[in-house]
Amino acid sequence: ETGVTQTPRHLVMGMTNKKSLKCEQHLGHNAMYWYKQSAKKPLELMFVYSLEERVENNSVPSRFSPECPNSSHLFLHLHTLQPEDSALYLCASSQRVAQQTEAFFGQGTRLTVV
Amino acid sequence: EDQVTQSPEALRLQEGESSSLNCSYTVSGLRGLFWYRQDPGKGPEFLFTLYSAGEEKEKERLKATLTKKESFLHITAPKPEDSATYLCAVQDDYKLSFGAGTTVTVRA
Repeated sequence: ETGVTQTPRHLVMGMTNKKSLKCEQHLGHNAMYWYKQSAKKPLELMFVYSLEERVENNSVPSRFSPECPNSSHLFLHLHTLQPEDSALYLCASSQRVAQQTEAFFGQGTRLTVV
Repeated sequence: EDQVTQSPEALRLQEGESSSLNCSYTVSGLRGLFWYRQDPGKGPEFLFTLYSAGEEKEKERLKATLTKKESFLHITAPKPEDSATYLCAVQDDYKLSFGAGTTVTVRA
């Protein structure tokens, strides 16, 4: 248990579905992140939030929509996804953005788009 | 743009056979270099942070070192439970840039 909880752990969705991924951190951190991990590729940073404000949007397609209602919760809303979006989606948190502090990761959501 | 390259891509070791993993990087302003361990189907687990050249950190059979251009993760007398993918990441401002990882398999 790392203090970062992601639900669901597995998700299968059709290309016309709408679903949401949830992340909750119990570490008192002020920064939260979404990463995408595809097979044999490095983790790709998708979004960064600092104190509930979006700091970075790494040219992510609009079919991915993040939401950060407070510093403990982060959502990733999904709609009209493509099969190539199938991957492990990881949430992470750290004490602050732009400081030399380690990020702690959740267990991830394994997403399959059919 | 920050770049992180890890080698080898895969490493198969006999139990007790020590070895090293390499992480070479280019970054405009290094704020930290991080090592993570990732087991299949799970999120990365934090291992070490290194901040400056010459720094070393140890944890059980693992030892991480840092130079101005690369970092090494030394595995001494590995056991099967050390089998995992080891990820290296560098921090520049707020962004963590990851390498593709080295998958280590330790046979009993």
